[in-house]
Amino acid sequence: QLQLQESGPGLVKPSETLSLTCTVSGGSIRSNTYYWGWIRQPPGKGLEWIGSIYYSGSTYYNPSLKSRVTISVDTSKNQFSLKLSSVTAADTAVYYCARSTVTTILNWFDPWGRGTLVTVSS
Amino acid sequence: QSVLTQPPSASGTPGQRVTISCSGGSSNIGSNTVNWYQQLPGTAPKLLIYSNNQRPSGVPDRFSGSKSGTSASLAISGLQSEDEADYYCAAWDDSLNGYVFGTGTKVTVL
Repeated sequence: QLQLQESGPGLVKPSETLSLTCTVSGGSIRSNTYYWGWIRQPPGKGLEWIGSIYYSGSTYYNPSLKSRVTISVDTSKNQFSLKLSSVTAADTAVYYCARSTVTTILNWFDPWGRGTLVTVSS
Repeated sequence: QSVLTQPPSASGTPGQRVTISCSGGSSNIGSNTVNWYQQLPGTAPKLLIYSNNQRPSGVPDRFSGSKSGTSASLAISGLQSEDEADYYCAAWDDSLNGYVFGTGTKVTVL
């Protein structure tokens, strides 16, 4: 079955760029039915959608993060990636990658990766 | 500040029925379908309900979803100890042009 796995540094310094990769296995990222997304969850808090990407490179971003976020896709590696610039302690969170089913809009996320904790600290 | 509002907590004894509300607006729940996620302690969220009231394969029929106007609800009937988790509603928001999650509800089995 489809599985997603996040990878990347667990510690990032303030003002630097957070970079994570999601590797998709058990299926192709080149699907016309799905977008691929990032969601984060600060410790003890709720979920926040960061953005999503289609295999062609088309993206949707959370307006509140858009100025700092870049999501890209590498179909040859079956991966997609997140870059979040100028991070602060408020960006400390568990970052999840997930597949989103597309109807006329971005819709439900399933499945999800296990998540990776990224701490922003000097 | 999320645009989808849920009660912070809900509780019940084993076997009881618990309902969680999700209040939104015309640009999200009022215009688009609602999804629900269950997050067990220390784990990633899992899709519980999609398209307002559809259960993915493997989700017990104790879980049901509904939508009316700009609000949605998740009901858990026959509450079990393993249902103790955080629950989030979510939907696309046409005004924000983004996917929004609810504030989350912690369900406790007494």
